[in-house]
Amino acid sequence: DGGITQSPKYLFRKEGQNVTLSCEQNLNHDAMYWYRQDPGQGLRLIYYSQIVNDFQKGDIAEGYSVSREKKESFPLTVTSAQKNPTAFYLCASSITAANYGYTFGSGTRLTVV
Amino acid sequence: KNQVEQSPQSLIILEGKNCTLQCNYTVSPFSNLRWYKQDTGRGPVSLTIMTFSENTKSNGRYTATLDADTKQSSLHITASQLSDSASYICVVSTLTGGGNKLTFGTGTQLKVEL
Repeated sequence: DGGITQSPKYLFRKEGQNVTLSCEQNLNHDAMYWYRQDPGQGLRLIYYSQIVNDFQKGDIAEGYSVSREKKESFPLTVTSAQKNPTAFYLCASSITAANYGYTFGSGTRLTVV
Repeated sequence: KNQVEQSPQSLIILEGKNCTLQCNYTVSPFSNLRWYKQDTGRGPVSLTIMTFSENTKSNGRYTATLDADTKQSSLHITASQLSDSASYICVVSTLTGGGNKLTFGTGTQLKVEL
C-alpha cells in the first residue's frame, strides 16, 4: 500500500538532547512537509522540500533542521536550541508543491522529560 | 494577516443527528479550501477540496459549501455516527512561488454520543 510513515509514534527527549523524527513515503511525491501541532493552535509549517537536495524554512524553523537526500525520506531533527519541543509533529507529502492533495502521516508525539 | 477561524470550538451531538461546522477566512489570494478529519493522535485525512469556482462538494455523508464572496465555508455532516467523533480542520490555501501556502484553522472538536 502506498502511504507516508512516521516513526517513532512516541519519543521522549532529555534536556539538551537532539532527536530525529523519521518520515518516509512511497507515493513518489516530490514535495514533503513538516508541521507542528499544539493544543488550541492550527498546524504550523516548520520546513518543506519541493525536490531532493532542496528545502526551505517554514514559519517556525528555529531550533529544527532537515535533510532531503532521497525523494522518499525527509527526516526532521529537533535540536537542543528548540526550547519548547513538546508537541505533535506531522509529516505530509504532495505530488508537487503546487498540487492540492496532501497526504499526512500518523504523527510523532515528542515529549521533553 | 491570513487567518482561518472555525466555530464552534467544540460540539456534542447525538448519534443520527445532523450538524454544521463553520469556517471563516481572510486568506488572500485564495487558491482552494480543504476540510480535514483528524482522529485523536492521528494525522489529518482529507474530506473535501474546493477551488474558487466550486460552491459545494460532497463526500458520502459530508457536504462542504463555499461562498468565496463572503469568505465562508461550512461542513455539514448528515446522520452522524460514533466514528464521526474527531477534530474537523478547515485549511485555506494560497498559491505562491514556493507552492501552496496553507493556513490552518484550530479545528472543531466533534463528539457524537449515543
